[in-house]
Amino acid sequence: EAGVTQSPTHLIKTRGQQVTLRCSPISGHTSVYWYQQALGLGLQFLLWYDEGEERNRGNFPPRFSGRQFPNYSSELNVNALELEDSALYLCASSLLQGAMALHFGNGTRLTVT
Amino acid sequence: AQSVAQPEDQVNVAEGNPLTVKCTYSVSGNPYLFWYVQYPNRGLQFLLKYITGDNLVKGSYGFEAEFNKSQTSFHLKKPSALVSDSALYFCAVRDVGRYGGSQGNLIFGKGTKLSVKP
Repeated sequence: EAGVTQSPTHLIKTRGQQVTLRCSPISGHTSVYWYQQALGLGLQFLLWYDEGEERNRGNFPPRFSGRQFPNYSSELNVNALELEDSALYLCASSLLQGAMALHFGNGTRLTVT
Repeated sequence: AQSVAQPEDQVNVAEGNPLTVKCTYSVSGNPYLFWYVQYPNRGLQFLLKYITGDNLVKGSYGFEAEFNKSQTSFHLKKPSALVSDSALYFCAVRDVGRYGGSQGNLIFGKGTKLSVKP
């Protein structure tokens, strides 16, 4: 079974630019979650999508957005990048029903200069 | 609001000794609790979860966790540590929705770095 895949693995952007990160969930998983892991801040919940709809959102500004496609893959978009957006962005997937564990990808390392 | 706390930034253990990584939680309703491990430059790997039932939960790689409702704790344990156990460990709790129902996303603690020396 293929795991959660994320692309790209690394990205360098300039402050003010826009970036799109991509995630493919495990086959059969309908829920996709995005987390930000910045140095010293642990994992911060960004967004949760299921069946193409946004189910929950963390405490992040609107310039963080995303979507889920009919094949359950997902994109995370960040506009007007700021230096503090530099972080590892992790995507996870799960089955919605029941208290299922989240399965994580290896992340996209974003550096904003 | 749901939350977990990991009071130790780092835990140091000698190989072969037992290890404990601490986690306390604050939830409304019944807690769904999880432990994950993260190796350098990798995503998180699921270790174990507590939903209901036995307070001692067994997981991957010889790890187990003890759920203690009166102390609102969910400590991760292993009887004999290995150097390869050195990693970052996260405790997490499932979030609740506006009306108290369980939601899908997890709320994570800040992580505890485990260092096992030979």
